[in-house]
Amino acid sequence: DARVTQTPRDKVTEMGQEVTMRCQPILGHNTVFWYRQTMMQGLELLAYFRNRAPLDDSGMPKDRFSAEMPDATLATLKIQPSEPRDSAVYFCASGLSTLAETQYFGPGTRLLVL
Amino acid sequence: DQQVKQNSPSLSVQEGRISILNCDYTNSMFDYFLWYKKYPAEGPTFLISISSIKDKNEDGRFTVFLNKSAKHLSLHIVPSQPGDSAVYFCAASVTGTASKLTFGTGTRLQVTL
Repeated sequence: DARVTQTPRDKVTEMGQEVTMRCQPILGHNTVFWYRQTMMQGLELLAYFRNRAPLDDSGMPKDRFSAEMPDATLATLKIQPSEPRDSAVYFCASGLSTLAETQYFGPGTRLLVL
Repeated sequence: DQQVKQNSPSLSVQEGRISILNCDYTNSMFDYFLWYKKYPAEGPTFLISISSIKDKNEDGRFTVFLNKSAKHLSLHIVPSQPGDSAVYFCAASVTGTASKLTFGTGTRLQVTL
């Protein structure tokens, strides 16, 4: 049963601290996405990678957010320094690049910045 | 600027009746649309899609209708079941960037007994 896994599932931190969220995509998927879900904006695309290369990170606040794929089995999203407005659920999804229907989401990381 | 809008945050429907979830979009370049279903503490899962060359797509109890002139799509669930209670997201993309989805804010459907 192939799934996207995300860690941690929940994170509470204080403003100014660094936060790192991790994602393990489904084996064989060549595209990885990071989304943020808030009540006001719904699901927003932050960044996506194809074959580990960043293709689009225009949705990400560049001064504090960074996304990387050190290898094909790990994607990371870092926030430094974190702010209360970053509180949201962050989803990772992986897929096959040309088929939107094959974009599978992980369970999300719920982040609360105090 | 919300390019995909779901104006009803919530909807309550009796079991066995029809559920209709609506979605509007503003970007005329969108030509592929999807619906996702999300249970609490889980990620969204793909439900059904439709290309702009069609105006209807059906999959079991789920049917999506697309009205391009009105930039409107809707998801019909017939008959509604308690297990359909979830948040439903509408998403849109432009052909050639199928991986880059723009989502709405979601509609929470509650199917009551």
